[in-house]
Amino acid sequence: KAGVTQTPRYLIKTRGQQVTLSCSPISGHRSVSWYQQTPGQGLQFLFEYFSETQRNKGNFPGRFSGRQFSNSRSEMNVSTLELGDSALYLCASSLAPSGQETQYFGPGTRLLVL
Amino acid sequence: QKEVEQNSGPLSVPEGAIASLNCTYSDRVSQSFFWYRQYSGKSPELIMSIYSNGDKEDGRFTAQLNKASQYVSLLIRDSQPSDSATYLCAVTGSARQLTFGSGTQLTVLP
Repeated sequence: KAGVTQTPRYLIKTRGQQVTLSCSPISGHRSVSWYQQTPGQGLQFLFEYFSETQRNKGNFPGRFSGRQFSNSRSEMNVSTLELGDSALYLCASSLAPSGQETQYFGPGTRLLVL
Repeated sequence: QKEVEQNSGPLSVPEGAIASLNCTYSDRVSQSFFWYRQYSGKSPELIMSIYSNGDKEDGRFTAQLNKASQYVSLLIRDSQPSDSATYLCAVTGSARQLTFGSGTQLTVLP
C-alpha cells in the first residue's frame, strides 16, 4: 500500500506570496492532519480534517488554512508569507480521527521564504 | 508548563547498551501515547503505540506507561548506531489532537 505523499517536496517563495501544499493520504485513510516543524518550536499541530470537515485547529493565524476533498486528499494554504513561515510542513493520515488512531507521516514539504 | 516534555538531550550511549528515553505529560485525561523516530532530514516514523498502563514490547523496543505519574518511557535494548535519531513522544489528550514533545536526540556510539 502506498504511503502518504506530499507535493511539492521543496518550495522557495518570497515574503508576501502565498503557497498551496498538497497531501494524498494512505488509501482508505479519511483523516489528514497538518503540522509545522521548525528547529525552535518543534512539531506543532496546524489542523485536522476528517470527511471534508475541519475537526480541530491549532494555534496558528488565519493566514494558514486548509481543506479536504471527497477523495480525502488535502491541501493547505498559507497566504501573505512571512520569513518565519520557513519550515518543514508535514502531513499525516489515519483511518479515523487522530485521537483514536495512529498517524502516518508523509515526507514533508520544505518551504523556504526569502 | 509544556503539555508534553522530554529530556532534550543529547543522549549518547555505547553500542549494545540500553537507551532510556523519558516523557511526561500534563493532560490527565490523555489516552493514547506514541513514540516516533525521526532521522535527520526525514519525517517521523512510528515505533510504538501504548494505551494502557504497563509495558509493551516490540523487538528491541519497550514502551512503559504510568498514567498515575503521567509518565511514558521508551527503552531501546542492544542499541545500534542505526538507532541514532531524534525520538519524539506524542500524546493525544482532551483536545483530541496529537501533541508532540520537543524530542530527544540519541547518538549510539560504535
